[in-house]
Amino acid sequence: QVRLVESGGGVVQPGRSLRLSCAASGFTFSSYGMHWVRQAPGKGLEWVAMVSYDGSEKYYADSVKGRFTTSRDNSKNTLYLQMNSLRPEDTAVYYCAKEVNWKSYHFDSWGQGILVTVSS
Amino acid sequence: EIVLTQSPATLSLSPGERATLSCRASQTITRYLAWYQQKPGQAPRLLIYDASNRATGIPVRFSGSGSGTDFTLSISSLEPEDFAVYYCQQRSNWPLTFGGGTKVEIK
Repeated sequence: QVRLVESGGGVVQPGRSLRLSCAASGFTFSSYGMHWVRQAPGKGLEWVAMVSYDGSEKYYADSVKGRFTTSRDNSKNTLYLQMNSLRPEDTAVYYCAKEVNWKSYHFDSWGQGILVTVSS
Repeated sequence: EIVLTQSPATLSLSPGERATLSCRASQTITRYLAWYQQKPGQAPRLLIYDASNRATGIPVRFSGSGSGTDFTLSISSLEPEDFAVYYCQQRSNWPLTFGGGTKVEIK
């Protein structure tokens, strides 16, 4: 079965960097676009970033553009989110999510989520 | 950016009742809308994609309808496990966006 496991979260000071990873298994990782979605404490869902199946296309929410970079290593079945210049408003649970099928941009599998807290 | 407005914010119903949730888009999104269910402390779960397609393993009591700017998620007869928060999400335009959510609570 599909499994997505995020790691790399924690507490970080404003202005610092953090890299999240998402280890995938149970499906052909290299065939699916992958996304990051976040949820601030007690709030709704916010889409963050997307990388296509081969890494050639990437899209970002305006709130993170220029600060966050997503990438993937298909040889390791792993998705990444490099987060730079972190702000308190980036505090959230970050989920990685798999597309239903090619360029579907709906998400049929999600990780358990990882908490990122930006605080001094 | 396409704004999705969900209503009502909270729906208070009893088990066995029918639930009707609404999602309205700020511009047409044809049928590129999904619905997710989220319970406390859990990741969201895909229920419906492309307006009316049930995801794998989703019970038939969940159904989606609509096109253009107005969409509906219906739960024909609420089961105890259906009390949760529901989100809609559009994939018509970048950036992808979610609605603010509807909480279905036990009356």
